[in-house]
Amino acid sequence: DADVTQTPRNRITKTGKRIMLECSQTKGHDRMYWYRQDPGLGLRLIYYSFDVKDINKGEISDGYSVSRQAQAKFSLSLESAIPNQTALYFCATSPRENNEQFFGPGTRLTVL
Amino acid sequence: AQSVTQLDSQVPVFEEAPVELRCNYSSSVSVYLFWYVQYPNQGLQLLLKYLSGSTLVKGINGFEAEFNKSQTSFHLRKPSVHISDTAEYFCAVSEKGNNNDMRFGAGTRLTVKP
Repeated sequence: DADVTQTPRNRITKTGKRIMLECSQTKGHDRMYWYRQDPGLGLRLIYYSFDVKDINKGEISDGYSVSRQAQAKFSLSLESAIPNQTALYFCATSPRENNEQFFGPGTRLTVL
Repeated sequence: AQSVTQLDSQVPVFEEAPVELRCNYSSSVSVYLFWYVQYPNQGLQLLLKYLSGSTLVKGINGFEAEFNKSQTSFHLRKPSVHISDTAEYFCAVSEKGNNNDMRFGAGTRLTVKP
C-alpha cells in the first residue's frame, strides 16, 4: 500500500465552486505539506504543518486553506476555485530530522 | 531564503550516452540537497540526497551527484542513460536548522532517444 495517498486523483470543477483535496499518510511523520506544480515553475509550497496544532503559510497560500484533522490527515481547500488554480497538486510528508519529502501521487485539478 | 536554479529546462541525449543535469543553489547557511525524479503521470520520488559527509552521493538507478560548496552546485550525473530514464528531474534545497520548507528548481526534462 502507498505510504502517502491523495483523493481524488483527478477533478474537474467550475469557477466559484468550493473543493477539497485530501491527503493521508501511514509513514508516521509529523510534518505534512501541500504543493502545486505548474509547467516550467517546478513545485511551489502552498501550506505546511509541523503537527496538528501548527499550520503555516507557504510561498503561494492566497486562495487556499488547509485543515490538519489528525497526524495522518491534511486537507487542502479552495474556497472559490478560479481557472488559474488549474494545476497538479501534491501532498508530501517529512520526518523532523532533515526535511526529506515523501510525495503522494498527485491530484490533477482543472477549473473551468 | 534559499533558492534553486536548474540551468537546463530540457536535455535530449542518445541512449548509452553520459548525461549531466545542472543545479545551482543560493543560501546563506548550510543546506541539505536533493534530487527527485518524476516519471510521466506519477508523483516525485527521491533519487539521492546530500545531508552531510562525503560530497559524492550515489543514488538509485545509477545516478550520482556531487556537492560543491564553493560553487554552490549539486549536479546530477549518469555515465550511461537508458530509455527508461526519460523523465523530469527536480533539484531541491532545504536549509539546515530552518526546516520550514524545501525549495525546488523548475525542473529539467531529460529525453533519452534510441
